[in-house]
Amino acid sequence: EPEVTQTPSHQVTQMGQEVILRCVPISNHLYFYWYRQILGQKVEFLVSFYNNEISEKSEIFDDQFSVERPDGSNFTLKIRSTKLEDSAMYFCASSGNRDSGETQYFGPGTRLLVL
Amino acid sequence: AQSVTQLDSHVSVSEGTPVLLRCNYSSSYSPSLFWYVQHPNKGLQLLLKYTSAATLVKGINGFEAEFKKSETSFHLTKPSAHMSDAAEYFCVVSGWQGGKLIFGQGTELSVKP
Repeated sequence: EPEVTQTPSHQVTQMGQEVILRCVPISNHLYFYWYRQILGQKVEFLVSFYNNEISEKSEIFDDQFSVERPDGSNFTLKIRSTKLEDSAMYFCASSGNRDSGETQYFGPGTRLLVL
Repeated sequence: AQSVTQLDSHVSVSEGTPVLLRCNYSSSYSPSLFWYVQHPNKGLQLLLKYTSAATLVKGINGFEAEFKKSETSFHLTKPSAHMSDAAEYFCVVSGWQGGKLIFGQGTELSVKP
């Protein structure tokens, strides 16, 4: 069964450093998403991406964040200058379309720790 | 605005007994609702979803949920818990035009032998 994969599974970085989180969505999916979960808090939507551009973003997704689909398979989230509060689990998801009832398929997550 | 409240942060049951995980939602339109499960070190896996068809929805591994508009609830049930059901469960509502998902806080289910 096709699945979403994410690398790395864990990332430790120093405050102020740039990090890139990588995701490989399901191959025939067209819509891609990033979510995050700070420890002890809800899973929060960050951004959705379609046709090589952002279709929706949350207030959390400020200028520090960017997303890219650099080739036909990868989908990346870049945090330019990490802060302590960026420490969280980051989930990538993909779907075939963005209808209200469409299932989003999630990856296993990348746990980011900013020191 | 849409929101989801999971009424229990932790539920503990004995193996073979029923499971009830409670979820209430708030939405200004007819929502699509989902239950996802997360086992340790695994991604979020869809258990079931409601998309305005039958109000009683059956999912994988014997789980089901009933959409009750009058009570704005979408509780998850299973008649008989199995040890492998121990995990974190998330009740989720879709945004108005699809796209982003809005998550509840999660309920951790423990299953005792």
